[in-house]
Amino acid sequence: AQKVTQAQTEISVVEKEDVTLDCVYETRDTTYYLFWYKQPPSGELVFLIRRNSFDEQNEISGRYSWNFQKSTSSFNFTITASQVVDSAVYFCALMGGAGSYQLTFGKGTKLSVIP
Amino acid sequence: KAGVTQTPRYLIKTRGQQVTLSCSPISGHRSVSWYQQTPGQGLQFLFEYFSETQRNKGNFPGRFSGRQFSNSRSEMNVSTLELGDSALYLCASSAAGTYNEQFFGPGTRLTVL
Repeated sequence: AQKVTQAQTEISVVEKEDVTLDCVYETRDTTYYLFWYKQPPSGELVFLIRRNSFDEQNEISGRYSWNFQKSTSSFNFTITASQVVDSAVYFCALMGGAGSYQLTFGKGTKLSVIP
Repeated sequence: KAGVTQTPRYLIKTRGQQVTLSCSPISGHRSVSWYQQTPGQGLQFLFEYFSETQRNKGNFPGRFSGRQFSNSRSEMNVSTLELGDSALYLCASSAAGTYNEQFFGPGTRLTVL
């Protein structure tokens, strides 16, 4: 069985602060894929990043960065210099590589950025 | 490219009725997945279709069914609605290939009274 845990239910930060959203996963697959999605108040899930289990290189995209550590089964997401527009619920998700084609989501972390 | 579209956006039904939701994927995408989102259970996978075939099914009762047409458009049907079926139903599409990112539509908000 696959499982994704986002231990932080809600986080509040003041604008321009850095914030890290934690994600821990469990899978027996040797090949798997990790994702982050953003769900703003409008409700539509917005794709942010996809990572495969063979690529542990960290990635940076503007103010966003991701830290994938296979040894601790973690795929954390950091927002640098947060902005009010970053306020949303963020979901970490896992897709197994054994023909599952389905996303297993964590419960999400609600981020509130206070001006 | 137009994104994933879902119709209707909002729906109110009563217990015992049935409902059909529609999803049009991004042009060229052949895989369509459905998810249910509720405050209690979060996001849960319903099923996934590729080239009109259901490849995966989540842990939902048989009242939940779906299908995909030759143009990749998909529908999901819920029969004998229960109060607990009230949820946001999200459709996602992905390009041919297997483990690509899924792009989500705006969802259909179903309320069962």
